[in-house]
Amino acid sequence: DTGVSQDPRHKITKRGQNVTFRCDPISEHNRLYWYRQTLGQGPEFLTYFQNEAQLEKSRLLSDRFSAERPKGSFSTLEIQRTEQGDSAMYLCASSLGGWYNEQFFGPGTRLTVL
Amino acid sequence: AQSVTQLDSHVSVSEGTPVLLRCNYSSSYSPSLFWYVQHPNKGLQLLLKYTSAATLVKGINGFEAEFKKSETSFHLTKPSAHMSDAAEYFCVVWDSGYSTLTFGKGTMLLVSP
Repeated sequence: DTGVSQDPRHKITKRGQNVTFRCDPISEHNRLYWYRQTLGQGPEFLTYFQNEAQLEKSRLLSDRFSAERPKGSFSTLEIQRTEQGDSAMYLCASSLGGWYNEQFFGPGTRLTVL
Repeated sequence: AQSVTQLDSHVSVSEGTPVLLRCNYSSSYSPSLFWYVQHPNKGLQLLLKYTSAATLVKGINGFEAEFKKSETSFHLTKPSAHMSDAAEYFCVVWDSGYSTLTFGKGTMLLVSP
């Protein structure tokens, strides 16, 4: 399967712990996006990369969140000192080119903070 | 401002009957509009997109949508529902004045036999 993959699919953690998620995009895609989706809501944009450069960050992305995309390939999203409000589905997507192009989504990582 | 409103949180239809999922948008410029579908435990998948070409857009699995600028609408339709269409559908807008997509809250489509 050559689609977008995310790991882990589920993560349960205790409040105050750090967590890291990984996203592997479609290999030829230069753009990679992170979204957060909570129950009853559509995905909300967090941040995106063009190759290895992080070009935009939402105000939703507090200083406890950090994302990287070394060498323009896979990406990691780290949440430090998790809070119960961080519980959500974290989605990764990738695309070729601009915002008007199709984004291909991974299955998501469901985070539960106890 | 860039925003999208999906007018129904749930829509129930019987198999073989038409589907209508409603979406209104707000945009300061010329928007691009998308419909994505999310099946349980699967990633979001693009159904169709409008990018200022033909106002009637055909997508996968028999879905289509019509861009109506005067009504600021982009409703999704399908002539005959299939059981496999049961999923959550998201209307999405991208405005060239912004650098992000904005998703609606979603419409859950339920299809009964």
